[in-house]
Amino acid sequence: NAGVMQNPRHLVRRRGQEARLRCSPMKGHSHVYWYRQLPEEGLKFMVYLQKENIIDESGMPKERFSAEFPKEGPSILRIQQVVRGDSAAYFCASSQGAQTYEQYFGPGTRLTVT
Amino acid sequence: TQLLEQSPQFLSIQEGENLTVYCNSSSVFSSLQWYRQEPGEGPVLLVTVVTGGEVKKLKRLTFQFGDARKDSSLHITAAQPGDTGLYLCAGTNTGNQFYFGTGTSLTVIP
Repeated sequence: NAGVMQNPRHLVRRRGQEARLRCSPMKGHSHVYWYRQLPEEGLKFMVYLQKENIIDESGMPKERFSAEFPKEGPSILRIQQVVRGDSAAYFCASSQGAQTYEQYFGPGTRLTVT
Repeated sequence: TQLLEQSPQFLSIQEGENLTVYCNSSSVFSSLQWYRQEPGEGPVLLVTVVTGGEVKKLKRLTFQFGDARKDSSLHITAAQPGDTGLYLCAGTNTGNQFYFGTGTSLTVIP
Protein backbone atom coordinates (compact mmCIF):
# COMPACT_ATOMS: atom_id res chain seq x y z
CA ASN A 1 0.00 0.00 0.00
CA ALA A 2 2.74 2.38 -1.03
CA GLY A 3 3.91 3.45 2.41
CA VAL A 4 0.79 4.99 3.95
CA MET A 5 0.68 3.92 7.58
CA GLN A 6 -2.43 3.60 9.72
CA ASN A 7 -2.72 2.61 13.33
CA PRO A 8 -4.15 0.87 15.06
CA ARG A 9 -5.18 -1.78 12.53
CA HIS A 10 -7.98 -2.93 14.82
CA LEU A 11 -9.73 -0.91 17.48
CA VAL A 12 -12.49 -2.00 19.83
CA ARG A 13 -14.44 0.60 21.76
CA ARG A 14 -17.52 0.43 23.97
CA ARG A 15 -20.44 2.69 23.20
CA GLY A 16 -19.78 6.21 24.46
CA GLN A 17 -15.98 5.99 24.35
CA GLU A 18 -13.72 7.96 22.02
CA ALA A 19 -11.88 6.50 19.05
CA ARG A 20 -8.69 8.03 17.64
CA LEU A 21 -7.42 6.78 14.30
CA ARG A 22 -4.00 7.81 13.03
CA CYS A 23 -2.64 8.12 9.51
CA SER A 24 0.91 8.90 8.40
CA PRO A 25 1.02 9.78 4.69
CA MET A 26 3.61 8.62 2.20
CA LYS A 27 6.91 10.44 2.30
CA GLY A 28 6.62 13.65 0.30
CA HIS A 29 2.81 13.70 0.43
CA SER A 30 1.14 16.65 2.11
CA HIS A 31 -2.51 15.83 1.43
CA VAL A 32 -4.62 13.29 3.30
CA TYR A 33 -8.12 11.91 2.66
CA TRP A 34 -10.25 9.88 5.06
CA TYR A 35 -12.87 7.34 3.90
CA ARG A 36 -15.30 4.99 5.63
CA GLN A 37 -16.21 1.60 4.22
CA LEU A 38 -19.19 -0.35 5.49
CA PRO A 39 -19.78 -4.02 4.61
CA GLU A 40 -21.36 -4.38 1.17
CA GLU A 41 -20.88 -0.68 0.50
CA GLY A 42 -18.28 1.32 -1.34
CA LEU A 43 -15.82 3.78 0.07
CA LYS A 44 -17.46 6.98 1.25
CA PHE A 45 -15.44 10.18 1.29
CA MET A 46 -15.30 11.91 4.67
CA VAL A 47 -12.69 14.67 4.68
CA TYR A 48 -9.72 16.07 2.76
CA LEU A 49 -6.89 17.84 4.60
CA GLN A 50 -3.62 19.57 3.98
CA LYS A 51 -1.15 20.29 6.73
CA GLU A 52 -2.94 22.48 9.31
CA ASN A 53 -5.89 23.02 6.98
CA ILE A 54 -9.20 21.28 6.26
CA ILE A 55 -9.92 21.60 2.53
CA ASP A 56 -13.20 19.71 2.20
CA GLU A 57 -15.19 18.13 5.03
CA SER A 58 -18.45 17.74 3.17
CA GLY A 59 -18.56 13.99 3.88
CA MET A 60 -18.08 14.26 7.63
CA PRO A 61 -21.05 13.70 9.94
CA LYS A 62 -21.93 17.00 11.58
CA GLU A 63 -21.56 15.72 15.12
CA ARG A 64 -19.01 13.62 17.00
CA PHE A 65 -16.51 13.39 14.11
CA SER A 66 -13.47 15.62 13.64
CA ALA A 67 -10.18 15.44 11.77
CA GLU A 68 -6.88 17.22 11.91
CA PHE A 69 -3.53 17.15 10.16
CA PRO A 70 -1.05 19.08 12.30
CA LYS A 71 2.20 20.57 11.11
CA GLU A 72 4.06 17.76 12.83
CA GLY A 73 2.80 14.24 13.27
CA PRO A 74 0.09 12.09 11.72
CA SER A 75 -3.40 13.00 10.66
CA ILE A 76 -5.99 12.01 13.24
CA LEU A 77 -9.65 11.11 12.77
CA ARG A 78 -11.46 11.43 16.07
CA ILE A 79 -14.86 9.97 16.84
CA GLN A 80 -16.39 11.00 20.13
CA GLN A 81 -19.08 9.03 21.98
CA VAL A 82 -19.00 6.16 19.53
CA VAL A 83 -22.17 4.27 18.65
CA ARG A 84 -22.60 0.82 17.09
CA GLY A 85 -23.27 2.39 13.71
CA ASP A 86 -19.72 3.76 13.68
CA SER A 87 -18.37 0.23 13.30
CA ALA A 88 -16.63 0.17 9.94
CA ALA A 89 -13.27 0.14 8.20
CA TYR A 90 -11.70 3.59 8.06
CA PHE A 91 -9.11 4.22 5.36
CA CYS A 92 -6.83 7.11 4.77
CA ALA A 93 -5.14 7.95 1.51
CA SER A 94 -2.43 10.45 0.67
CA SER A 95 -1.43 12.38 -2.41
CA GLN A 96 1.25 14.85 -3.45
CA GLY A 97 -1.26 17.63 -3.83
CA ALA A 98 -4.42 18.89 -5.41
CA GLN A 99 -4.99 18.14 -9.09
CA THR A 100 -2.67 15.13 -8.99
CA TYR A 101 -5.68 12.78 -9.24
CA GLU A 102 -3.75 9.91 -7.68
CA GLN A 103 -4.06 8.82 -4.10
CA TYR A 104 -2.49 5.93 -2.25
CA PHE A 105 -4.29 4.08 0.51
CA GLY A 106 -3.23 2.77 3.86
CA PRO A 107 -4.26 -0.67 5.17
CA GLY A 108 -7.17 0.73 7.18
CA THR A 109 -8.37 0.67 10.77
CA ARG A 110 -11.20 -1.68 11.62
CA LEU A 111 -13.31 -0.09 14.33
CA THR A 112 -15.69 -2.28 16.28
CA VAL A 113 -18.09 -0.69 18.74
CA THR A 114 -19.50 -3.09 21.32
CA THR B 1 -23.74 13.29 -5.19
CA GLN B 2 -21.99 11.94 -8.26
CA LEU B 3 -22.81 8.25 -8.49
CA LEU B 4 -20.66 5.60 -10.08
CA GLU B 5 -22.34 2.29 -10.81
CA GLN B 6 -20.27 -0.79 -11.36
CA SER B 7 -21.36 -4.00 -13.07
CA PRO B 8 -21.47 -6.82 -12.57
CA GLN B 9 -21.51 -6.72 -8.79
CA PHE B 10 -20.17 -10.27 -8.55
CA LEU B 11 -18.27 -12.33 -11.13
CA SER B 12 -16.94 -15.85 -10.84
CA ILE B 13 -14.95 -17.29 -13.74
CA GLN B 14 -12.53 -20.07 -14.55
CA GLU B 15 -8.82 -19.46 -14.85
CA GLY B 16 -7.89 -18.53 -18.40
CA GLU B 17 -11.18 -16.84 -19.28
CA ASN B 18 -11.51 -13.21 -20.29
CA LEU B 19 -13.77 -10.71 -18.57
CA THR B 20 -14.88 -7.09 -18.66
CA VAL B 21 -16.21 -4.98 -15.80
CA TYR B 22 -17.90 -1.65 -16.22
CA CYS B 23 -18.08 1.65 -14.39
CA ASN B 24 -20.85 4.03 -15.46
CA SER B 25 -22.03 7.46 -14.40
CA SER B 26 -24.32 10.20 -15.58
CA SER B 27 -21.65 12.72 -14.52
CA VAL B 28 -18.53 13.80 -16.33
CA PHE B 29 -15.22 13.33 -14.52
CA SER B 30 -11.84 14.94 -15.12
CA SER B 31 -10.18 11.66 -14.29
CA LEU B 32 -11.05 8.17 -13.26
CA GLN B 33 -9.05 5.64 -11.29
CA TRP B 34 -9.25 1.87 -10.93
CA TYR B 35 -8.23 0.09 -7.74
CA ARG B 36 -8.07 -3.50 -6.55
CA GLN B 37 -8.80 -4.28 -2.93
CA GLU B 38 -8.12 -7.57 -1.17
CA PRO B 39 -9.89 -8.60 2.05
CA GLY B 40 -8.54 -6.80 5.09
CA GLU B 41 -6.41 -4.40 3.05
CA GLY B 42 -6.67 -0.96 1.52
CA PRO B 43 -7.34 -0.37 -2.18
CA VAL B 44 -4.29 -0.47 -4.43
CA LEU B 45 -4.19 1.98 -7.33
CA LEU B 46 -4.01 0.23 -10.72
CA VAL B 47 -4.37 3.07 -13.21
CA THR B 48 -5.50 6.67 -13.75
CA VAL B 49 -7.15 7.78 -16.99
CA VAL B 50 -7.70 11.44 -17.79
CA THR B 51 -8.42 11.80 -21.52
CA GLY B 52 -11.71 10.83 -23.18
CA GLY B 53 -11.16 7.70 -25.27
CA GLU B 54 -7.89 6.91 -23.56
CA VAL B 55 -6.78 3.28 -23.41
CA LYS B 56 -4.12 2.07 -20.99
CA LYS B 57 -2.65 -1.39 -20.69
CA LEU B 58 -1.12 -2.96 -17.62
CA LYS B 59 0.08 -6.47 -18.55
CA ARG B 60 -3.16 -8.46 -19.00
CA LEU B 61 -5.38 -5.56 -17.90
CA THR B 62 -6.77 -3.03 -20.39
CA PHE B 63 -8.50 0.11 -19.15
CA GLN B 64 -10.60 2.42 -21.30
CA PHE B 65 -12.07 5.83 -20.51
CA GLY B 66 -15.24 6.65 -22.43
CA ASP B 67 -15.16 9.42 -25.02
CA ALA B 68 -17.54 11.51 -22.93
CA ARG B 69 -15.57 10.82 -19.73
CA LYS B 70 -18.63 9.39 -18.00
CA ASP B 71 -17.75 5.71 -18.07
CA SER B 72 -14.88 3.29 -18.07
CA SER B 73 -14.19 -0.39 -18.55
CA LEU B 74 -11.59 -2.84 -17.32
CA HIS B 75 -10.85 -5.89 -19.44
CA ILE B 76 -8.76 -8.78 -18.10
CA THR B 77 -7.32 -11.31 -20.52
CA ALA B 78 -6.62 -14.89 -19.43
CA ALA B 79 -7.62 -14.32 -15.81
CA GLN B 80 -5.51 -15.89 -13.09
CA PRO B 81 -6.36 -16.72 -9.46
CA GLY B 82 -4.13 -13.83 -8.40
CA ASP B 83 -6.59 -11.45 -10.10
CA THR B 84 -9.20 -12.30 -7.46
CA GLY B 85 -10.31 -9.25 -5.52
CA LEU B 86 -12.69 -6.30 -5.35
CA TYR B 87 -12.26 -3.90 -8.26
CA LEU B 88 -13.25 -0.31 -7.55
CA CYS B 89 -13.52 2.66 -9.85
CA ALA B 90 -13.35 6.23 -8.57
CA GLY B 91 -13.93 9.54 -10.29
CA THR B 92 -12.89 13.05 -9.45
CA ASN B 93 -13.10 16.52 -10.93
CA THR B 94 -11.03 18.63 -8.61
CA GLY B 95 -8.85 16.16 -6.77
CA ASN B 96 -10.55 17.36 -3.60
CA GLN B 97 -13.11 14.60 -3.48
CA PHE B 98 -13.15 11.15 -5.07
CA TYR B 99 -16.43 9.30 -5.69
CA PHE B 100 -16.17 5.53 -5.50
CA GLY B 101 -18.33 2.89 -7.13
CA THR B 102 -19.62 -0.04 -5.07
CA GLY B 103 -17.21 -2.42 -6.74
CA THR B 104 -17.07 -5.68 -8.67
CA SER B 105 -16.07 -8.71 -6.65
CA LEU B 106 -14.09 -11.04 -8.91
CA THR B 107 -13.30 -14.66 -8.12
CA VAL B 108 -11.04 -16.61 -10.47
CA ILE B 109 -11.32 -20.34 -9.94
CA PRO B 110 -8.16 -22.39 -10.58
